Amino acid sequence: AQSVTQLGSHVSVSEGALVLLRCNYSSSVPPYLFWYVQYPNQGLQLLLKYTSAATLVKGINGFEAEFKKSETSFHLTKPSAHMSDAAEYFCAGVGDKIIFGKGTRLHILP
Amino acid sequence: KAGVTQTPRYLIKTRGQQVTLSCSPISGHRSVSWYQQTPGQGLQFLFEYFSETQRNKGNFPGRFSGRQFSNSRSEMNVSTLELGDSALYLCASSQVTSRGTDTQYFGPGTRLTVL
Repeated sequence: AQSVTQLGSHVSVSEGALVLLRCNYSSSVPPYLFWYVQYPNQGLQLLLKYTSAATLVKGINGFEAEFKKSETSFHLTKPSAHMSDAAEYFCAGVGDKIIFGKGTRLHILP
Repeated sequence: KAGVTQTPRYLIKTRGQQVTLSCSPISGHRSVSWYQQTPGQGLQFLFEYFSETQRNKGNFPGRFSGRQFSNSRSEMNVSTLELGDSALYLCASSQVTSRGTDTQYFGPGTRLTVL
């Protein structure tokens, strides 16, 4: 069955520290992968997407993600966290339909 | 270009009632998808419409239905509301499809509360 798994429903990092949000997908999911961010009381906004053109994908707001087929992973990173990064992040994979992970709420500590 | 708009933003209904939610996609987008977001189940795909036809459907009961008009605007209807239908309902539009590499653009959602 197709699935997308996000490790950690809550992640806390200090301002200025590395952000790492984990996402694994089942191998039955074709390699169309996305990261979305959701701020309170808003819809989802696309951060970046993987379309097989390059394994390292750069997105908006300084985020990037690396597609690793051998690990079936698509982790999201940002070198230096900012208070404005506090939000919920969703990894999604697209097969015959789009499947979202459960989401990871990112907390930024001052 | 205007984004995806959803109306109303907030709605309160009682059990047994029905509700209709509306979504206007980005101009030129022909695919509209609907999602239900709850704290327990996360984001779940409801259905997708393209050129007035339902093209894909998630695992929801028949109480959940939708339609798309010739101008690509879409409506979603939930009949015989249950408490568990309380959720944020998100609409997303894309140029061609919710599958593949098309980017989906989400509206702000309609917050439905069932009492």
